[in-house]
Amino acid sequence: SQKIEQNSEALNIQEGKTATLTCNYTNYSPAYLQWYRQDPGRGPVFLLLIRENEKEKRKERLKVTFDTTLKQSLFHITASQPADSATYLCALGGDYKLSFGAGTTVTVRA
Amino acid sequence: DVKVTQSSRYLVKRTGEKVFLECVQDMDHENMFWYRQDPGLGLRLIYFSYDVKMKEKGDIPEGYSVSREKKERFSLILESASTNQTSMYLCASFYRGSLGEQYFGPGTRLTVT
Repeated sequence: SQKIEQNSEALNIQEGKTATLTCNYTNYSPAYLQWYRQDPGRGPVFLLLIRENEKEKRKERLKVTFDTTLKQSLFHITASQPADSATYLCALGGDYKLSFGAGTTVTVRA
Repeated sequence: DVKVTQSSRYLVKRTGEKVFLECVQDMDHENMFWYRQDPGLGLRLIYFSYDVKMKEKGDIPEGYSVSREKKERFSLILESASTNQTSMYLCASFYRGSLGEQYFGPGTRLTVT
């Protein structure tokens, strides 16, 4: 069966450092991968999408890589800020449905 | 901006009650979804709809039904609420011509006692 795994531990980092989150998957061949941010008590908010034929995508301080051979995506938040503290979800898609990972909670210390 | 609204932020119901959760989106999106989110399990798809009156089961449809009579509105129904349906329920929508980036509502935290 399909499985999506994100960092099992929460991530605590110092302001200004780079946070790196992983998303690994098995038994899946997604056409694209998405990352969402979720704040406590709120719905997820779309951040970035990367297609299967793309290696890297950037948006401001965010960078996503996608390695279909390793079946892995890395999500980087550079120059992190306390406002980046949230849970980040990866989601895999191939049609109009998405399969989500459980998320990684990031806390950025000032 | 796309707006997805849900009828309640918090709801407390008793076991056996029929529960209606409503979702409305204002961007003419064809596709709408209902998920539940539980700690450590991520978002799990309950039902989705790709057009008015069309619906398909997701990964965990048991104990739920849905209704889509109008394009902007997608309702989730718990026929007879049980304590294991205590959860956060999230509605989402997206435009068919996109690559599937979903817009989520704020969620309804349902407690069944």
